[in-house]
Amino acid sequence: AQSVTQLGSHVSVSEGALVLLRCNYSSSVPPYLFWYVQYPNQGLQLLLKYTSAATLVKGINGFEAEFKKSETSFHLTKPSAHMSDAAEYFCAVSDRDGGYNKLIFGAGTRLAVHP
Amino acid sequence: EPEVTQTPSHQVTQMGQEVILRCVPISNHLYFYWYRQILGQKVEFLVSFYNNEISEKSEIFDDQFSVERPDGSNFTLKIRSTKLEDSAMYFCASSVGNLYQPQHFGDGTRLSIL
Repeated sequence: AQSVTQLGSHVSVSEGALVLLRCNYSSSVPPYLFWYVQYPNQGLQLLLKYTSAATLVKGINGFEAEFKKSETSFHLTKPSAHMSDAAEYFCAVSDRDGGYNKLIFGAGTRLAVHP
Repeated sequence: EPEVTQTPSHQVTQMGQEVILRCVPISNHLYFYWYRQILGQKVEFLVSFYNNEISEKSEIFDDQFSVERPDGSNFTLKIRSTKLEDSAMYFCASSVGNLYQPQHFGDGTRLSIL
């Protein structure tokens, strides 16, 4: 069965600093991986997805993630944090064992951006 | 851009009462889902629905839960006799296909059981 682990429930960066949010996955088959963002009082918004094409995936709002099979990782990065990036970020894997695209989520990482 | 809409945004219900959460998925999507997030916990899968039937459900989705697509646009989650532990944020999602197609989420319904 697939699973994801997000290292760090809270990450705090300065405005303009690099953002790095960590996600490791476990999967017996090539995974389909996603990053979602949740702003306060809102739903989950798709940032980007990896579906076995390019290993470096670019998403919205300047975010990108790199799939590293050797490290079973799919970390999310952004070169320069903006105050508006403050939100909770979820890594998710598609449950291909189930066959119907059930998403299995990590516990989430809350990103704080300070001036 | 089309979006998934959920109503109500907040529902307060007495324990033991029935509650229906409503969702309008994106119009050309074929797969529909419900997830929930108990405060401070992970987002958890409840059920997926395709071709007018449940395609998969989790252990959480017991006999107290049901889903329905009563017409061509709405997708509902019913909890027959609510319990305190049903208090959570419930998210509806839809996707055009399965596997690698991303799911699009609504803003959620916060369900509070008193």
